[in-house]
Amino acid sequence: QKEVEQNSGPLSVPEGAIASLNCTYSDRGSQSFFWYRQYSGKSPELIMSIYSNGDKEDGRFTAQLNKASQYVSLLIRDSQPSDSATYLCAPNTGGFKTIFGAGTRLFVKA
Amino acid sequence: GAGVSQSPSNKVTEKGKDVELRCDPISGHTALYWYRQRLGQGLEFLIYFQGNSAPDKSGLPSDRFSAERTGESVSTLTIQRTQQEDSAVYLCASSLGPGQNSPLHFGNGTRLTVT
Repeated sequence: QKEVEQNSGPLSVPEGAIASLNCTYSDRGSQSFFWYRQYSGKSPELIMSIYSNGDKEDGRFTAQLNKASQYVSLLIRDSQPSDSATYLCAPNTGGFKTIFGAGTRLFVKA
Repeated sequence: GAGVSQSPSNKVTEKGKDVELRCDPISGHTALYWYRQRLGQGLEFLIYFQGNSAPDKSGLPSDRFSAERTGESVSTLTIQRTQQEDSAVYLCASSLGPGQNSPLHFGNGTRLTVT
């Protein structure tokens, strides 16, 4: 069973809209998560981390963690064409082996 | 160095030849990971090193693939008798050790093309 599941998309939203990216996970022991963004032809880069239940906001980005439902999400407000990328969620394994989901491709239409 | 360094950035090789890819992690990062990413696909886990522990090789696709790491420093991924299906970007990442909240920091990858 995969550690995380993501809808591979593509998810297409108009510029200025809210993009909602979702991730479910199977390991109830997972306590915190990271969101990475990968532009085409580039390496993944960390954009958000969330260590506790609830919401965490950073600029236009909000990460949400619901441990009871084993669900993590990333909201991007006022989406811009520059947000077009693949978004990957991964559990914080505390320095242990990390398996990534397929990622969700996001297209923001100008 | 400031980040994870991988070399070469690009490698073109003929089918059947061996290749060696290098990764220099961030200083102080005890965990090191190798992933393969085929065009348009996700990150495929290959191997994981943690300090001086035995590596987790569960993702290596065949015995043509091997990797080594010297202590907590440089790692090399070797692919013997390369095949066309080995063509991909090979990404290396490093992170802090167990018990610490540490995301993975990725290198720029090595793009391998097998002709």
